[in-house]
Amino acid sequence: KQEVTQIPAALSVPEGENLVLNCSFTDSAIYNLQWFRQDPGKGLTSLLLIQSSQREQTSGRLNASLDKSSGRSTLYIAASQPGDSATYLCAVPGSARQLTFGSGTQLTVLP
Amino acid sequence: DAGVIQSPRHEVTEMGQEVTLRCKPISGHDYLFWYRQTMMRGLELLIYFNNNVPIDDSGMPEDRFSAKMPNASFSTLKIQPSEPRDSAVYFCASTRQGSNSPLHFGNGTRLTVT
Repeated sequence: KQEVTQIPAALSVPEGENLVLNCSFTDSAIYNLQWFRQDPGKGLTSLLLIQSSQREQTSGRLNASLDKSSGRSTLYIAASQPGDSATYLCAVPGSARQLTFGSGTQLTVLP
Repeated sequence: DAGVIQSPRHEVTEMGQEVTLRCKPISGHDYLFWYRQTMMRGLELLIYFNNNVPIDDSGMPEDRFSAKMPNASFSTLKIQPSEPRDSAVYFCASTRQGSNSPLHFGNGTRLTVT
């Protein structure tokens, strides 16, 4: 059974810092990995999807990497802003289309 | 596109009552998922459909839970009878076939059973 772990559970940084969020998964037989953002009281918003054939994917100040062999992914946020404060979740698909989610990292960017 | 639409946004009901949650997926998406989120257990998959057919309902906690998808643009999740431990945020999400298709979530229904 796939298990997804995210470290740290919570992170607080001053505005402008670069930061890295970590995600690890136990079964490396995945075809993609997704990073989501969740704001309080809202649903999840897909940020980046990395195919298993890719090593990284970029969108604006966000860069996600994937190392299938080691079962790890990182989400790098450059020049963090208070508006980046949210919970960030990673998810990997199972044998079908269902996703298994990590428990998330709650990020607070202090002005 | 309006995104995935869920209703109601909030539902407060008494134990023993029937609760029906509704979802309209994004047009053209052929997969629909129902998730439940709690502080203790995080996001749990309850059931998912492909082309309106239930594929995996192993996450449905009990017979009190049922889900239907009568057509490509509508799905319901019903709890009967509801219990306080069912209190959670219920999310609907949809996506299309293909490994490059992200999952799109609705804003959820916050259910409180007293």
